[in-house]
Amino acid sequence: DTGVSQDPRHKITKRGQNVTFRCDPISEHNRLYWYRQTLGQGPEFLTYFQNEAQLEKSRLLSDRFSAERPKGSFSTLEIQRTEQGDSAMYLCASSFTGGRGNYGYTFGSGTRLTVV
Amino acid sequence: DQQVKQNSPSLSVQEGRISILNCDYTNSMFDYFLWYKKYPAEGPTFLISISSIKDKNEDGRFTVFLNKSAKHLSLHIVPSQPGDSAVYFCAASQGGSEKLVFGKGTKLTVNP
Repeated sequence: DTGVSQDPRHKITKRGQNVTFRCDPISEHNRLYWYRQTLGQGPEFLTYFQNEAQLEKSRLLSDRFSAERPKGSFSTLEIQRTEQGDSAMYLCASSFTGGRGNYGYTFGSGTRLTVV
Repeated sequence: DQQVKQNSPSLSVQEGRISILNCDYTNSMFDYFLWYKKYPAEGPTFLISISSIKDKNEDGRFTVFLNKSAKHLSLHIVPSQPGDSAVYFCAASQGGSEKLVFGKGTKLTVNP
C-alpha cells in the first residue's frame, strides 16, 4: 500500500469551469476526509465519510462543491463553476480509528488547484 | 475566528538544542489535540497527540504538554535535528466530531 493517493497533483482551470479530483485512501481505512489549504493557512475541514456515508459537512462546502464516496473506497470532490477564490491545495486523508485515534489521519500529497 | 492559534510563524534553532513550538486554543470544548509536520509538496504527517485527560505525552524526541487551564499546548523536540525542519501544525477536535481544526502553522528551521 502506497498511502493516500490523490489525482491530479496539479490542475489549472479557467474560471467557470468544473473540476473533479479523485482520492484513493489506504485500503483498510473506512474513514475519508477532505480538507482545503490556502496559502499561509492551516488545512480547513470540508467533509468526512465513514464508508460511503457522508457524515459531516463544513459550511465552507458551498452548493458548488459536492463530494462522493460511492462504494466506500475512493472518493471524488467536484467543484462546479470554479471561482478564483477556489484556488487552493485540496487535501484528502483517511483513517481507520478516526482523527482522534493514536495515529491521527494519513494525508495524501494533495491536488493544487489554480483558477485563472 | 481562529480557534487554534500558532502565534509564531517561524522558529530557528541550532542542531542539538531544544525546539519549543506553541499553540493556544479558544474553544473549551476541544478535548483532543494533535501535531502534524509538513514538508514542502507533501501532505501533513501525524506526529503526536494528547487527550485532555493527560498533561503530557512523549514519543521519542517529541513531547507534547497540555495546560488546560491556560488553553495552551506545546511541542518539545529534543534534540533538534536538521531533518526536523518543516512546518508544524497544531490541531484540535472535540468529542462527537471527526473534524480537526488546525492552526496556521509554525515553520521550524534547524541549523546544522
